Amino acid sequence: NAGVTQTPKFQVLKTGQSMTLQCAQDMNHEYMSWYRQDPGMGLRLIHYSVGAGITDQGEVPNGYNVSRSTTEDFPLRLLSAAPSQTSVYFCATGEGTYEQYFGPGTRLTVT
Amino acid sequence: TQLLEQSPQFLSIQEGENLTVYCNSSSVFSSLQWYRQEPGEGPVLLVTVVTGGEVKKLKRLTFQFGDARKDSSLHITAAQPGDTGLYLCAGERYNTNAGKSTFGDGTTLTVKP
Repeated sequence: NAGVTQTPKFQVLKTGQSMTLQCAQDMNHEYMSWYRQDPGMGLRLIHYSVGAGITDQGEVPNGYNVSRSTTEDFPLRLLSAAPSQTSVYFCATGEGTYEQYFGPGTRLTVT
Repeated sequence: TQLLEQSPQFLSIQEGENLTVYCNSSSVFSSLQWYRQEPGEGPVLLVTVVTGGEVKKLKRLTFQFGDARKDSSLHITAAQPGDTGLYLCAGERYNTNAGKSTFGDGTTLTVKP
């Protein structure tokens, strides 16, 4: 029972490149979410999903796309990376926002 | 403007001291959660409070949800070095889209031996 897994753990991109951050859960939770955390700050919600086929925008969605074709997976796509997207990205899952279980994070640097 | 304001931003104390950190908002929340995050790791849920005035205890940690559901506090008794970490409050604002959670910027706690 792995819980929430995120890949890769670290990534360096050049400005303009695209990539997908993977998130998978084996807890059979309907709710999944993506956050970014910048130094000295809390987490800001990028996108979330309340079930397969349903996604919605969070606080900072620009530059990111998501899809939810299965309960288990919730990938986050960076369309054209920018230095402002340098951050640590966390995926979370739960029965809802009442209790979220976070993955270990992906540390992304855009040069 | 942060929806959830946490204070203090930094707190450094000696082992054995007591402390309280705060999470305040001008908005009403359906529930509030407290998480602790250690460097290089994701946040870990400590507690969820749902009812106004609710008090929950987790060993030396006491959590309170304000009567109006706009604020919360976390009190630690006899702090230990293992309590060191970033404490985050989070919640879903009442009467908004289900699933839209917001976080405060956190309180960084250092407990010195």
